[in-house]
Amino acid sequence: DIQMTQSPSSLSASVGDRVTITCRASQSITTYLTWYQQRPGKAPNLLIYAASSLQSGVPSRFSGSGSGTDFTLTISSLQPEDFATYYCQQSHRTPWTFGQGTKVEVK
Amino acid sequence: QVQLQESGPGLVKPSETLSLTCTVSGGSISGNYWSWIRQPPGKGLEWIGYMYYGGGTTSNPSLKSRVTISIDTSKNQFSLKVSSVTAADTAVYYCARYDYSYYLFDYWGQGTLVTVSS
Repeated sequence: DIQMTQSPSSLSASVGDRVTITCRASQSITTYLTWYQQRPGKAPNLLIYAASSLQSGVPSRFSGSGSGTDFTLTISSLQPEDFATYYCQQSHRTPWTFGQGTKVEVK
Repeated sequence: QVQLQESGPGLVKPSETLSLTCTVSGGSISGNYWSWIRQPPGKGLEWIGYMYYGGGTTSNPSLKSRVTISIDTSKNQFSLKVSSVTAADTAVYYCARYDYSYYLFDYWGQGTLVTVSS
């Protein structure tokens, strides 16, 4: 299986901060990398696909980059509704796997 | 707008079979891939498997051969069965549509908690 490792596991930030979350794959997944946001008690919500493509309707403060094994999700200016848990997921090879999640908390 | 809704028992006894159904509305089940994902309480997401409306399935080897996914195109539903459940199968179960053109899960159900307990 392809292991997906996110860092950090949690972070504390304030509204307006720039936030960066990293996801590393155990082998190359080219750009078969998707980012999801999950708020408590809710289903995950698609943010970024193909490593860097912004899903329709997602605010432009979210961006993704990377290829191969190293990927980054950036929130340019954190908003109150962005406090949530973020997951990366690879679709390069089954079984599709998710990172363990990064919880963004209020500082 | 495509919507998915999970349904099924919220409590299953150990060693029995967990059965869930996902009803798709606002779009056809045909021509798409349909998947199940679960999340144990307080933990991360685990992909269980998917089925193509034409009948092909792939599941996560971590669940060995305990998983069965099926589709009923006449009802616009797909289903999940997990046999021989243990407490480790306690989780929120999500159904989702997988877009194979862009390699992403674009529509999700709200999730349903299934607890395995006697």
